Amino acid sequence: GENVEQHPSTLSVQEGDSAVIKCTYSDSASNYFPWYKQELGKRPQLIIDIRSNVGEKKDQRIAVTLNKTAKHFSLHITETQPEDSAVYFCAAYSGTYKYIFGTGTRLKVLA
Amino acid sequence: DVKVTQSSRYLVKRTGEKVFLECVQDMDHENMFWYRQDPGLGLRLIYFSYDVKMKEKGDIPEGYSVSREKKERFSLILESASTNQTSMYLCASSFSGFQETQYFGPGTRLLVL
Repeated sequence: GENVEQHPSTLSVQEGDSAVIKCTYSDSASNYFPWYKQELGKRPQLIIDIRSNVGEKKDQRIAVTLNKTAKHFSLHITETQPEDSAVYFCAAYSGTYKYIFGTGTRLKVLA
Repeated sequence: DVKVTQSSRYLVKRTGEKVFLECVQDMDHENMFWYRQDPGLGLRLIYFSYDVKMKEKGDIPEGYSVSREKKERFSLILESASTNQTSMYLCASSFSGFQETQYFGPGTRLLVL
């Protein structure tokens, strides 16, 4: 079946450095890719998304890139801050209302 | 502001008990979802519903059933709880249509003893 692989599972960066999280999807029909941030004890919240007709999207310190040929998309966070510490999930829309989620990346930003 | 609420944040049940988890959304969303979240496994879809009284199995429906009698309410039922159903359960909702954003509830952490 369809799946989404997400790497790394944990990531520690110094405050101010950049963080990159990568996801690879298997369903070539997937055409919408949201990213969610889940802080400790809180619900997942959408932080950015990208559709397949776009290669890159930015929102302040956060950007997402998509390579449809390689079936690969990435989350980039620049100038990381302690409040960026959370678990990040990627997802791929697989049609028929269904999203396939990655296994999550725990990001720690060290002050 | 979209609001998705779940009936309990924490729940402790005994093996064999029938368990009801309820989710309510106030945004008139057509779609509602139940996920299970386990460390290292991410979010896995149990069931979803695209309309009142309609339901579709997700990836891990075994041991679960659902009910959607009203548009705003989606219930997850564990007919006979087992210890391997100890987990975090997340409800989500979205508008119908293509590529709609999902909004999540706060989650219910269920412990089955």
